[in-house]
Amino acid sequence: GAVVSQHPSWVICKSGTSVKIECRSLDFQATTMFWYRQFPKQSLMLMATSNEGSKATYEQGVEKDKFLINHASLTLSTLTVTSAHPEDSSFYICSAKPGTGDTGELFFGEGSRLTVL
Amino acid sequence: GQNIDQPTEMTATEGAIVQINCTYQTSGFNGLFWYQQHAGEAPTFLSYNVLDGLEEKGRFSSFLSRSKGYSYLLLKELQMKDSASYLCAPVDSNYQLIWGAGTKLIIKP
Repeated sequence: GAVVSQHPSWVICKSGTSVKIECRSLDFQATTMFWYRQFPKQSLMLMATSNEGSKATYEQGVEKDKFLINHASLTLSTLTVTSAHPEDSSFYICSAKPGTGDTGELFFGEGSRLTVL
Repeated sequence: GQNIDQPTEMTATEGAIVQINCTYQTSGFNGLFWYQQHAGEAPTFLSYNVLDGLEEKGRFSSFLSRSKGYSYLLLKELQMKDSASYLCAPVDSNYQLIWGAGTKLIIKP
């Protein structure tokens, strides 16, 4: 099946620094990628929808200036958590959808666990 | 509003059968996904139903009734490795997945 790679898997940073997480579709082109965060024992929360070549669409309540999303190519989207604080510590997951159809299977990255000290 | 209802937790015995129910209310409907998620890992795809009826895939089957806003995931011949959370995610009219909180399935020997 299709593979989505997410990097890094784990990251620990100091409060006030910025962290970049990469999401790559390894064997297909993804015009749309999604970014989620998940707190312990809670469901996935969609943060934003990333469209190649255009600005990301953020969900209500998600600060676009804090969570910068770039989808520069059909195989790469990045999420940058700027000026991270301890409350940003979470599990961040990306997913991608092959092709241009509206429905279809989503393939998830392995997730990135961010700990802000 | 949009709402997903699944049991929070279920317990079953190794080798048995378990059915995880999901009822949903969404703005429009474009199919429903089931995903499996082990603790600390990303979700993995199990099934996608867009038409009414039962889809069987090995030990896992998924059923959908669009008129009732209802789906279930059936797991047969349970194995210890099936202990995980199972997420029901219908797709709304904007083709967005609406995620439920998931059902934590505990398998006992």
